[in-house]
Amino acid sequence: SQQGEEDPQALSIQEGENATMNCSYKTSINNLQWYRQNSGRGLVHLILIRSNEREKHSGRLRVTLDTSKKSSSLLITASRAADTASYFCATDASPSNTGKLIFGQGTTLQVKP
Amino acid sequence: DAGVTQSPTHLIKTRGQQVTLRCSPKSGHDTVSWYQQALGQGPQFIFQYYEEEERQRGNFPDRFSGHQFPNYSSELNVNALLLGDSALYLCASRGLAITDTQYFGPGTRLTVL
Repeated sequence: SQQGEEDPQALSIQEGENATMNCSYKTSINNLQWYRQNSGRGLVHLILIRSNEREKHSGRLRVTLDTSKKSSSLLITASRAADTASYFCATDASPSNTGKLIFGQGTTLQVKP
Repeated sequence: DAGVTQSPTHLIKTRGQQVTLRCSPKSGHDTVSWYQQALGQGPQFIFQYYEEEERQRGNFPDRFSGHQFPNYSSELNVNALLLGDSALYLCASRGLAITDTQYFGPGTRLTVL
């Protein structure tokens, strides 16, 4: 079963614009992680935010977490054509933080040059 | 420092056959998880191995089994293959003593004919 719901399912923007993707989940979590996937290849870890954190930054990425609304957002600023990929949120809600991840369906981002 | 590696990259099997996929975790990681990703979907958790034991299992039939070796590498075995087993199989590793971030391998693309 999918814990996360991602919105939008697809996003198309011009290079240089910002891209925002949202993720909602259903249960209490230990942490939430965002991954990127290019053309059905392996997942690349982007950022992890813990349940007691509200915002994290990594380069052009900004992630927010609102545990009261059970939602997270990923913002990619000044997008590049190379950011074209599928983006997934994954929640770790496992007892004892054992690391079982539950993924959303993903957002497909296209950045046009 | 090698990341997570998986073999083979691609595999074609026929219905009813058996398949073994292999994964070597990132250096220093002791926990290996396996995920199945059908086309256009997010990854789904199959099971997790820690200290050579299956620690958690997702909603997959007993045809899916695994093993972890003393060097922390892992195998995923699927018996009596069905057409619906065609997917990208991803391995992820984590070393809780180091980080709760999970790192994924490039995946094995399994096609069942």
